[in-house]
Amino acid sequence: QVQLQQSGPGLVEPSQTLSLTCAISGDTVSSYNAAWNWIRQSPSRGLEWLGRTYYRSQWHNDYAASMRSRITINPDTSKNQFSLQLNSVTPEDTAMYYCAREIAILRGVLNPFDYWGQGTLVTVSS
Amino acid sequence: IVLTQSPGTLSLSPGERVTLSCRASQSVTSSLLAWYQQKPGQAPRLLIYGASSRATGIPDRFSGSGSGTDFTLTISRLEPEDFAVYYCEQYGNSPRSFGQGTKLEIK
Repeated sequence: QVQLQQSGPGLVEPSQTLSLTCAISGDTVSSYNAAWNWIRQSPSRGLEWLGRTYYRSQWHNDYAASMRSRITINPDTSKNQFSLQLNSVTPEDTAMYYCAREIAILRGVLNPFDYWGQGTLVTVSS
Repeated sequence: IVLTQSPGTLSLSPGERVTLSCRASQSVTSSLLAWYQQKPGQAPRLLIYGASSRATGIPDRFSGSGSGTDFTLTISRLEPEDFAVYYCEQYGNSPRSFGQGTKLEIK
């Protein structure tokens, strides 16, 4: 059974960096059968995909265009986890943040999210 | 791709049949569309992928259909635990995108 356990602060000051971690059990971050994603949800923006990391002979990252200038998603194979860093946050980044596994049902295309973390409510405020 | 779900809210009784709609602003490649269920305080749960395939452990009262720009999720007989918010998501075209959700509430 795959489990994703999120950790990180729930309050970030404007202009600072939001940092969250997602610890994986029941799978590995370097699995060829998965990609590891961050998604956020807010009343104003709904569910919004932020980006992902995955390993296919080498590490790859994909980011949402709107986030590309200030987002980094990194794997940590020693701890079997992956992280999200979002720089220069504003109150508009206030949201519930989720990590999720994208299971590689089909090769060469995107796939659905079959396991999700419990969510971390991040508020951007001074 | 913009996904528009309708209706926004549905008030129904247990035992009823319901069909939720998800319309895409352009054709979803290879019908790569998923449905998720979200209950208060929980993360979304995958129900359907590839427009019509049930995820592991999902009861057969849930079914999905559609192609191109029009997709539906049908719950054949509502159980009390089915009252939640349902989201469609297209992952056939980058960037992937979600609908705004349909809330099923108990009448």
